[in-house]
Amino acid sequence: GIQVEQSPPDLILQEGANSTLRCNFSDSVNNLQWFHQNPWGQLINLFYIPSGTKQNGRLSATTVATERYSLLYISSSQTTDSGVYFCAGEYYNTDKLIFGTGTRLQVFP
Amino acid sequence: DADVTQTPRNRITKTGKRIMLECSQTKGHDRMYWYRQDPGLGLRLIYYSFDVKDINKGEISDGYSVSRQAQAKFSLSLESAIPNQTALYFCATSDLPGYGYTFGSGTRLTVV
Repeated sequence: GIQVEQSPPDLILQEGANSTLRCNFSDSVNNLQWFHQNPWGQLINLFYIPSGTKQNGRLSATTVATERYSLLYISSSQTTDSGVYFCAGEYYNTDKLIFGTGTRLQVFP
Repeated sequence: DADVTQTPRNRITKTGKRIMLECSQTKGHDRMYWYRQDPGLGLRLIYYSFDVKDINKGEISDGYSVSRQAQAKFSLSLESAIPNQTALYFCATSDLPGYGYTFGSGTRLTVV
């Protein structure tokens, strides 16, 4: 089945630093998305990014579907960015999201 | 009120007990999902439903069952809980295929 790999698995930053999180997928996927799980467990949808680039404040995401990867950029990181970041993609026409294993980000003041 | 509400938020139960996790939504979405999260494994799909009469197995459905009582309600049951079902369980809804997902706050289940 489809594999969704995320790197790095863990990331520790000081406040103000920039970072790039990567998501590779083994087969063609539709509806690539990025989620943030905060330290209290809540999952929030950050981006719906099947292709191209989107930006939302300090966060931006790029998906290159032909090369089967997506990137999430966090600039000027803040302690509130801490948590786990997941990418998820849908198998072609299955209507099911498959999640990666996540990148755990810790931002220290 | 939250768009997707899960109850209970936390539950400790004994091995062999039957337990039900409930999910209700006010989004008006037809599609509902149950996911399980284990440390280092991301979220894995247990069951999903695209309307009241539709129930489908996900990646890890063994040991679980579901009931879609109404468009707004989707319950997950563990018929005979075992310790390796200890996990964080999420309910989610979506309005379009693979798009517009909203997650509940999760139910932390511990089986002792």
